[in-house]
Amino acid sequence: AQSVSQHNHHVILSEAASLELGCNYSYGGTVNLFWYVQYPGQHLQLLLKYFSGDPLVKGIKGFEAEFIKSKFSFNLRKPSVQWSDTAEYFCAVNTGGYQKVTFGTGTKLQVIP
Amino acid sequence: SQTIHQWPATLVQPVGSPLSLECTVEGTSNPNLYWYRQAAGRGLQLLFYSVGIGQISSEVPQNLSASRPQDRQFILSSKKLLLSDSGFYLCAWSVRGWDSSYEQYFGPGTRLTVT
Repeated sequence: AQSVSQHNHHVILSEAASLELGCNYSYGGTVNLFWYVQYPGQHLQLLLKYFSGDPLVKGIKGFEAEFIKSKFSFNLRKPSVQWSDTAEYFCAVNTGGYQKVTFGTGTKLQVIP
Repeated sequence: SQTIHQWPATLVQPVGSPLSLECTVEGTSNPNLYWYRQAAGRGLQLLFYSVGIGQISSEVPQNLSASRPQDRQFILSSKKLLLSDSGFYLCAWSVRGWDSSYEQYFGPGTRLTVT
């Protein structure tokens, strides 16, 4: 069965600091990888996804993630965070052609002005 | 465009009472439908998913059940609520994308408190 690990549960950063949130998955076959974000009081929404091709994926609001197959990782990065990036971030994996998506436990990011 | 509705937004129910949470999707056909429970520090736990009318897959044994009486309607139920059923319940839908991925779209959620 596939699983997803997010090692950072709560991250506090000052504005303009760089961000990297870790995500590791366990599945040996073809995967689709996602990062979802939940801003305070809002629905969960897709930030970015990887399905094939360039392992460096760019999403909304300046976020990017790199798929490293050899490390089973899909870490989320942003060079300079803003206060508005305060949210909870979830990594998720879906094996190709399978409808189920498995989510990690989430990382709460707090950005201090 | 597609939209997803969940109701009620909040619910307070006594232990032992029944439960019915409803989710409907508009603007798409034959979606996959999902019920998740979101708990602090535990992420999103998949409870049920459905790939078609009357087809329900249960992911974890529990006091809850799900039904899909119509293509775009998904219902989460319980005959007798337990305190441990308290939580935030999310409904989501997906369809197979051109890249074969199943990007999910989430509803606003229902906050259930069992007293």
